[in-house]
Amino acid sequence: GENVEQHPSTLSVQEGDSAVIKCTYSDSASNYFPWYKQELGKRPQLIIDIRSNVGEKKDQRIAVTLNKTAKHFSLHITETQPEDSAVYFCAARGGSEKLVFGKGMKLTVNP
Amino acid sequence: DTAVSQTPKYLVTQMGNDKSIKCEQNLGHDTMYWYKQDSKKFLKIMFSYNNKELIINETVPNRFSPKSPDKAHLNLHINSLELGDSAVYFCASSPQRGGNEQFFGPGTRLTVL
Repeated sequence: GENVEQHPSTLSVQEGDSAVIKCTYSDSASNYFPWYKQELGKRPQLIIDIRSNVGEKKDQRIAVTLNKTAKHFSLHITETQPEDSAVYFCAARGGSEKLVFGKGMKLTVNP
Repeated sequence: DTAVSQTPKYLVTQMGNDKSIKCEQNLGHDTMYWYKQDSKKFLKIMFSYNNKELIINETVPNRFSPKSPDKAHLNLHINSLELGDSAVYFCASSPQRGGNEQFFGPGTRLTVL
């Protein structure tokens, strides 16, 4: 089945810096790659997603890239703000229909 | 106007007890899910229903039994609770089977003593 690895597990940046989170997946049939943000004590919420027929997608300060050959995808956050502090999860949906999540990355943005 | 709601928000109980968590979505979605998030924040799917039909059943102990009376509701019953069942349980829904964005409920924090 699908296996999603996420790195790093924690990241601390200064306000205004960029942050990059990287994920790899194992199932070459995976075709949908969402990113979720979970603030402390809250529910996971979708922030951006990308499908396998697209290499890059951008939405204001966040962007996601996908390399199908290497089976990895990344989330880029520019001009980070303290409110970006949260746990970020990547996920992949393969042939089994289920979303498999990475283990999450705790981002801390220091003012 | 809550999209996906769960009750209760917190559940504290003794080992061996039986408990239920309820989930409702008013989005008109066909597919609903139960996820377990452990103390290390790992989010793992347990079950998925599409129009009241079970479509995903992960390797979950059979003490966990989901039930979907209609496509807007998905409940989770847990028998003979164990310490390791302590976690946050999230319900989610998506427009259709294999659908894209999943909308999560607020979570139920279960503590087994």
